[in-house]
Amino acid sequence: QAGLTQPPSVSKGLRQTATLTCTGNSNNVGKQGAAWLQQHQGHPPKLLSYRNNNRPSGISERFSTSRSGNTASLTITGVQPEDEADYYCSAWDSSLRARVFGGGTKLTVL
Amino acid sequence: EVQLVESGGGLVKPGGSLRLSCEASDFTFSDYSMNWVRQAPGKGLEWVSSISSGSSYIYYADSMKGRFTISRDNAKHSLYLQMNSLRAEDTAVYYCVRDSLSEQGPDFWGQGTLVTVSS
Repeated sequence: QAGLTQPPSVSKGLRQTATLTCTGNSNNVGKQGAAWLQQHQGHPPKLLSYRNNNRPSGISERFSTSRSGNTASLTITGVQPEDEADYYCSAWDSSLRARVFGGGTKLTVL
Repeated sequence: EVQLVESGGGLVKPGGSLRLSCEASDFTFSDYSMNWVRQAPGKGLEWVSSISSGSSYIYYADSMKGRFTISRDNAKHSLYLQMNSLRAEDTAVYYCVRDSLSEQGPDFWGQGTLVTVSS
């Protein structure tokens, strides 16, 4: 099953703004949006943002999401050392009847 | 606090079978759709299967169809994954994952259980 497309890596300096993208199609991201997950090395993923762009309780306001057409974006404002992690997007594909994930973006904080 | 605790992982030979379990606590298990998601060593996340709250809707990734079976027992607050005809490429950490109400995203993940398929 085809997945969502994410850049493999992004590097940003401390306190800069990082924007990560996730591209799908009209059956997944374009139709229902994408959720975003953060995974630190050796830990399970954690939900950062729901498909409707709302944040779960306890997630910093520095993390915001949006969608334009078939592309979803995660913006991290004022990047901190603890933001260094892998970030995944996830969506339901109504045509495939399957959940699809992006390949993940590794964020490096310089 | 929501807890999802997986068990049943281990070492199995190619062609063998394994049954994973996930015990849920501190939420009304019967209200939520549940999923299995796996992650091969050093790789990204791969969706395995989903089951609706009442087991009416079940979905599988193409590579798991016919080999894996997802099920749940709401009375026991438990989710299961029966895995047959295992292959080396099934080696991964398997996570039990809850879908949020209104299915807005996978909001809680267990710690995972490692399945290793090797002779």
